[in-house]
Amino acid sequence: GQQVMQIPQYQHVQEGEDFTTYCNSSTTLSNIQWYKQRPGGHPVFLIQLVKSGEVKKQKRLTFQFGEAKKNSSLHITATQTTDVGTYFCAGLRHLLETSGSRLTFGEGTQLTVNP
Amino acid sequence: GAGVSQSPSNKVTEKGKDVELRCDPISGHTALYWYRQSLGQGLEFLIYFQGNSAPDKSGLPSDRFSAERTGGSVSTLTIQRTQQEDSAVYLCASSLRLAVSSYEQYFGPGTRLTVT
Repeated sequence: GQQVMQIPQYQHVQEGEDFTTYCNSSTTLSNIQWYKQRPGGHPVFLIQLVKSGEVKKQKRLTFQFGEAKKNSSLHITATQTTDVGTYFCAGLRHLLETSGSRLTFGEGTQLTVNP
Repeated sequence: GAGVSQSPSNKVTEKGKDVELRCDPISGHTALYWYRQSLGQGLEFLIYFQGNSAPDKSGLPSDRFSAERTGGSVSTLTIQRTQQEDSAVYLCASSLRLAVSSYEQYFGPGTRLTVT
């Protein structure tokens, strides 16, 4: 079943409003990545968080990794129409049954921005 | 440098036919992934190749789906006896490796498959 949950599924905002998407895992993650997919495009890597409680910023985007390394968030301040797209989190977890690793994507949050 | 390429970009096929989708990863990337994305949906993991290790096939939805990676580079995803529910965008991604830490995945443009 789905191991990484992402909410909300959809978010509509007025340009200038803030936006946040949340990612939750049922298991502890080694690290988490965030991707953005523009309409009609393919996912593009934004950032990776590795440390417990880590916070990283990219201009108007702020990414957080929870203390327990089970959740993460992406916050966009003062959204712009260029922020439109679907934001995916992807968590790395180790698979005990195979001794391998799997990067599991959340369902994504689709953001629309009204000008 | 060149990114991940996929071919064809679009494929329309009749129900029951077999299709082959191709992925050329970034040179030097040892990890390769296939995902499926239905319209407006998230990424559904299909299969993962890492170097010479046995592939992780746990995401393949049925035995009609198979994938190969030849020489640690090019990969083909084959869908036999296609069904209408197979219609989706098939995305390929590659990365340097997946071990204790992970590297970002670089996605190809995808192949849009339509089964009529």
